[in-house]
Amino acid sequence: AQSVTQLGSHVSVSEGALVLLRCNYSSSVPPYLFWYVQYPNQGLQLLLKYTTGATLVKGINGFEAEFKKSETSFHLTKPSAHMSDAAEYFCAVRTEHNKLIFGAGTRLAVHP
Amino acid sequence: DTAVSQTPKYLVTQMGNDKSIKCEQNLGHDTMYWYKQDSKKFLKIMFSYNNKELIINETVPNRFSPKSPDKAHLNLHINSLELGDSAVYFCASTAGPNTEAFFGQGTRLTVV
Repeated sequence: AQSVTQLGSHVSVSEGALVLLRCNYSSSVPPYLFWYVQYPNQGLQLLLKYTTGATLVKGINGFEAEFKKSETSFHLTKPSAHMSDAAEYFCAVRTEHNKLIFGAGTRLAVHP
Repeated sequence: DTAVSQTPKYLVTQMGNDKSIKCEQNLGHDTMYWYKQDSKKFLKIMFSYNNKELIINETVPNRFSPKSPDKAHLNLHINSLELGDSAVYFCASTAGPNTEAFFGQGTRLTVV
């Protein structure tokens, strides 16, 4: 069965610092992987996705993630954090039954 | 144009009442979902419909009954509301297995 583990429920960085949000998955089939962002009192917005092809995927707002099959990881990074990046981030894997399984989420705080 | 729209955005009701949440998508997607997000932000799938047919039912109490009159609509009816039903409910839709899900803005249900 597929599952997603996000290491660190809270991450705090300084404005301008590197953002690294960790995601590990388990999947019995080639995974489709997603990162979503949720701003307060809003729905989920897609940041980026990996389906097939290039393992380094670029998303919106300067975020990118690298699919590493050997490490079963799909960590999200951004070179320089901005105050507006403060939000909840969710990693997700799609199962063979077309079900989207989410990690527990990581709250990113950005301080001046 | 809102891709996935839910109504109402907020719903406050007493225990024991029956309430419905409506969801509509104008993306032409075949698959729609209901997710529940608890107070710790954990997202759990409840139901999935594909072209009006129930595909996934994740051991949700039978007080919850989804209804899909057509593939653009997936409504959620909840009978005999309980305090534990308080959460944010998200509707989502997707075109296929390797595509992202689009989420509505959520319905914050508070049972008092």
